[in-house]
Amino acid sequence: GESVGLHLPTLSVQEGDNSIINCAYSNSASDYFIWYKQESGKGPQFIIDIRSNMDKRQGQRVTVLLNKTVKHLSLQIAATQPGDSAVYFCAENPGEGSQGNLIFGKGTKLSVKP
Amino acid sequence: GAVVSQHPSRVICKSGTSVKIECRSLDFQATTMFWYRQFPKKSLMLMATSNEGSKATYEQGVEKDKFLINHASLTLSTLTVTSAHPEDSSFYICSARDLGQGASTGELFFGEGSRLTVL
Repeated sequence: GESVGLHLPTLSVQEGDNSIINCAYSNSASDYFIWYKQESGKGPQFIIDIRSNMDKRQGQRVTVLLNKTVKHLSLQIAATQPGDSAVYFCAENPGEGSQGNLIFGKGTKLSVKP
Repeated sequence: GAVVSQHPSRVICKSGTSVKIECRSLDFQATTMFWYRQFPKKSLMLMATSNEGSKATYEQGVEKDKFLINHASLTLSTLTVTSAHPEDSSFYICSARDLGQGASTGELFFGEGSRLTVL
C-alpha cells in the first residue's frame, strides 16, 4: 500500500505569503525524497530533492526540510506567486533493492489568491 | 535538461479496441522506464517497471495481459492498453532515469502524460 501521505489535501494562500506543504512517510529505508509540482493535464515537474543524509536543502524560493526522526518532509515556498498554483506531490525512493521507482504521496492542491 | 516525450498526449477510442502509448527519452538512454496511472484528483500509482531487453515488472493488481509493455530500445518504451474499457480511462504517465545517474539516485524525468478516454 501507499506509504507516503500528506497532512493537508488543500492549501490556500495569499500571493506574497509563504507556503508550507507537509508530507509524512512511513518507510524508514527510503533514502531519497523529491517534491513535484503538477499542473492540470501535465506530467509532474521536478522542484527539489533531498537525500536522507541531509535535513535541509534550498533552491530558488523553495526549501525542503527532512526530519527522519518523525519521518516528515516539508516544502516551503517563499513569496508564493499565482504561478505556483498546482498540485504538489512528495515522493520517496524506497531505497536499496528498488529499481529507482518512486512512491507518491496523495498530493496537496495549492491555490494562490491574488 | 533531460526530456521524456509521450505520444499521443490525448487519445479517444472505442471499447474493445487497443491503444498504444509511446514513451521516449529524447537526449539520454534509459534501461528502465516506469509507467504510472493517475485518476482525477488522485496521486500517481506505479503500474509497472519497464526494462530494456527483458520483461516488465508489474505491480500487484495490474494485469500484465491487459497492459502490455515493450521496452525495445534504450530510448523507447510502449504501453498498450488492450481491449480497452471505459474504466481504463485515465492519465498515463511515464518516467525514465538517466542511465548515467545510477539506478536509485538522480532525478527521475517525467513525460507530459497521455490522457486516454474509452467510450
